[in-house]
Amino acid sequence: DAGVIQSPRHEVTEMGQEVTLRCKPISGHDYLFWYRQTMMRGLELLIYFNNNVPIDDSGMPEDRFSAKMPNASFSTLKIQPSEPRDSAVYFCASSSLTTGKAFFGQGTRLTVV
Amino acid sequence: AQRVTQPEKLLSVFKGAPVELKCNYSYSGSPELFWYVQYSRQRLQLLLRHISRESIKGFTADLNKGETSFHLKKPFAQEEDSAMYYCALGTGGSYIPTFGRGTSLIVHP
Repeated sequence: DAGVIQSPRHEVTEMGQEVTLRCKPISGHDYLFWYRQTMMRGLELLIYFNNNVPIDDSGMPEDRFSAKMPNASFSTLKIQPSEPRDSAVYFCASSSLTTGKAFFGQGTRLTVV
Repeated sequence: AQRVTQPEKLLSVFKGAPVELKCNYSYSGSPELFWYVQYSRQRLQLLLRHISRESIKGFTADLNKGETSFHLKKPFAQEEDSAMYYCALGTGGSYIPTFGRGTSLIVHP
């Protein structure tokens, strides 16, 4: 298994544009997490899914952020419109109760100018 | 609510010195504690978990429920240990990790 795969690795966009981050979890994992990493706040849990269903999105900072998981092998995190303060590294992770630990993707470094 | 506190943003030591990265947690139930490591330009990866009671790369961590701590220790730091370390708390029987803010460990030659 290639692990959790995120795309793109880097994204530079202008303020106001829509940004879509993508994640492919490890096959068989039934939990998927989106995290945001910044120097100021460290790793923040934005939202997580269980069996493709959003369970807790209380970490999503604003209505500009939305996440979907249309099937077990794909999730997106969308920011519309993007703002400079959204600049961060966004990580996707997946896990299952049998593994007992989360596996992380390599992250998407987002820069909004 | 669960919370993980890592009081040090940065820890700087010399090679061969002992290292202790502090982690305290707040959770009313039975916690699962983890340490994750992120080397430069790499993804986060699990270093160790308290249930396993293992030593990975010379690191150990003991869960102290009385002090609600899970400090990460290594007796002799190596340069390759330089990385960002995150303490994480899993709760509620399912694995939804809450992370601390992380501690950047720098080991000087």
